[in-house]
Amino acid sequence: AQRVTQPEKLLSVFKGAPVELKCNYSYSGSPELFWYVQYSRQRLQLLLRHISRESIKGFTADLNKGETSFHLKKPFAQEEDSAMYYCALHNDMRFGAGTRLTVKP
Amino acid sequence: EPEVTQTPSHQVTQMGQEVILRCVPISNHLYFYWYRQILGQKVEFLVSFYNNEISEKSEIFDDQFSVERPDGSNFTLKIRSTKLEDSAMYFCASSEPGEETQYFGPGTRLLVL
Repeated sequence: AQRVTQPEKLLSVFKGAPVELKCNYSYSGSPELFWYVQYSRQRLQLLLRHISRESIKGFTADLNKGETSFHLKKPFAQEEDSAMYYCALHNDMRFGAGTRLTVKP
Repeated sequence: EPEVTQTPSHQVTQMGQEVILRCVPISNHLYFYWYRQILGQKVEFLVSFYNNEISEKSEIFDDQFSVERPDGSNFTLKIRSTKLEDSAMYFCASSEPGEETQYFGPGTRLLVL
């Protein structure tokens, strides 16, 4: 079955600490993976996608086909990064369950 | 910056009633989507729409659901006879031709009593 797994529902780190939000996927073809973010009381919005290999707001995500992962990383978390983060496999429109990141002062 | 808009922001309805959720996609976008998120659960894909027809739908999108683009701007999701388990946040999204990025609306919170 094609699916997206985000194993952590909640993740809490201190400001300035590194953060990694895990995403594993299962897909038989070439995956098109995205990270979406939803800040408190705001709409879901694109954070980044694997194909562009960009860094947005200090976040990066590398597609690792061997481990079937697309983990989201930031070396120094900021309080404003607190939000819900969703990994999504666009090939069949599947979202992970989401990880709520809290960055404590 | 153009945004996807959705109305109403909240809707309360009685079980068995019909509801229509409205979305105005970004004007030059041609692909439209509906998702739902039951409280505490993951975002689930319902349906995608292109060129005035459904291009893909999930197992959730059964006969009680329908979508329509009644005019050049609106994209609607109709639930014919609501059930308690239809209570959820419903998100509309749109994307440009040839572009994977989807832009989401703020959602409509539907509560079925």
